[in-house]
Amino acid sequence: AQTVTQSQPEMSVQEAETVTLSCTYDTSENNYYLFWYKQPPSRQMILVIRQEAYKQQNATENRFSVNFQKAAKSFSLKISDSQLGDTAMYFCAFLHNDMRFGAGTRLTVKP
Amino acid sequence: DARVTQTPRHKVTEMGQEVTMRCQPILGHNTVFWYRQTMMQGLELLAYFRNRAPLDDSGMPKDRFSAEMPDATLATLKIQPSEPRDSAVYFCASGLVRGRAAFFGQGTRLTVV
Repeated sequence: AQTVTQSQPEMSVQEAETVTLSCTYDTSENNYYLFWYKQPPSRQMILVIRQEAYKQQNATENRFSVNFQKAAKSFSLKISDSQLGDTAMYFCAFLHNDMRFGAGTRLTVKP
Repeated sequence: DARVTQTPRHKVTEMGQEVTMRCQPILGHNTVFWYRQTMMQGLELLAYFRNRAPLDDSGMPKDRFSAEMPDATLATLKIQPSEPRDSAVYFCASGLVRGRAAFFGQGTRLTVV
């Protein structure tokens, strides 16, 4: 079974600065998808960004971008110009047939 | 506005009672996931369906949990009998095969007393 590891339980960043959240995964599959989800205190799970493993180009969505290193099985999320509303739990997820999540990183953006 | 709908949003029940949680996936989605979220275990995959067929329910305690999709617009997760350790937030998510993404419902917060 695939495993997803987020090694940073908590992180903080000053408003307007940049922060990077780490994620590694373990799989023997070649074709799969990776995601970052955000869970604010409302507990709603919100899709932030997705990456298809067969695409070399890193995905970007406005202030959010990823660094996908397939050989290293690494998938980090960079948040630029951090905003107070970015404060949330962030989950990395791996999808092949089923979808597995990491333990999450609690991000706090400080004013 | 397509969304995954879960009912009820909150449920408080006594130990031993049956609990049924419902999920209406996004129209046209053929994959449905059930997750349980707790502080200790994070997001655990309980079961998932593709085209209404159960593909994997190895994450569920078989003696008390059951998941079904009676039709394409409804997925259910049932606990019978419920126990205090089942207290958690249960999420349903739906998506399309080959991973465009899974979209989550708002969850059912279950408290078993």
